[in-house]
Amino acid sequence: GESVGLHLPTLSVQEGDNSIINCAYSNSASDYFIWYKQESGKGPQFIIDIRSNMDKRQGQRVTVLLNKTVKHLSLQIAATQPGDSAVYFCAENIGGDDMRFGAGTRLTVKP
Amino acid sequence: DSGVTQTPKHLITATGQRVTLRCSPRSGDLSVYWYQQSLDQGLQFLIQYYNGEERAKGNILERFSAQQFPDLHSELNLSSLELGDSALYFCASSVEGAATEAFFGQGTRLTVV
Repeated sequence: GESVGLHLPTLSVQEGDNSIINCAYSNSASDYFIWYKQESGKGPQFIIDIRSNMDKRQGQRVTVLLNKTVKHLSLQIAATQPGDSAVYFCAENIGGDDMRFGAGTRLTVKP
Repeated sequence: DSGVTQTPKHLITATGQRVTLRCSPRSGDLSVYWYQQSLDQGLQFLIQYYNGEERAKGNILERFSAQQFPDLHSELNLSSLELGDSALYFCASSVEGAATEAFFGQGTRLTVV
């Protein structure tokens, strides 16, 4: 498949460890955030979302934390698996249908 | 499989040429979005169509245009291509017009040489 983001920040973790991927967003008025996973050769895939009236949301093996004070978003993946290897990026909804996407972080899981 | 189909998957063409990228949305989805993803950059929104009508425009160059047909498939036309147009082009679709609820296709990799 095609490579995305050959020069992105990278995070390398051991299989079974927890991963934390960070994202700084730009607009304090953003009210909705999404984390996407993009595997090589594939389009972005929705993982989890969070609204600005929350500071934490949990899914299956994933948790998103939102710190509005410093405009920071993080994605925590528990018990990281080889299938989690991908580029992860956040997106912010700054109002209406206007989405802004981060460049992403490449997660590599070592077996 | 998101249900959004993009063709072709890969395209190599020369500068100055014109290409057409095609997108078939998920069954039932009325809205189509086009994005450009250059190396090491986030997705850049280009344009959105809803039920055949242009709904929103982003950072789309004048050399680029799109349309959505009555069967709801969409085409993105890129003309007078430049080396800097090399990128992944993604199409996404949603039932209504919410980009936050859109599903993405696998993309078309355009290489301009």
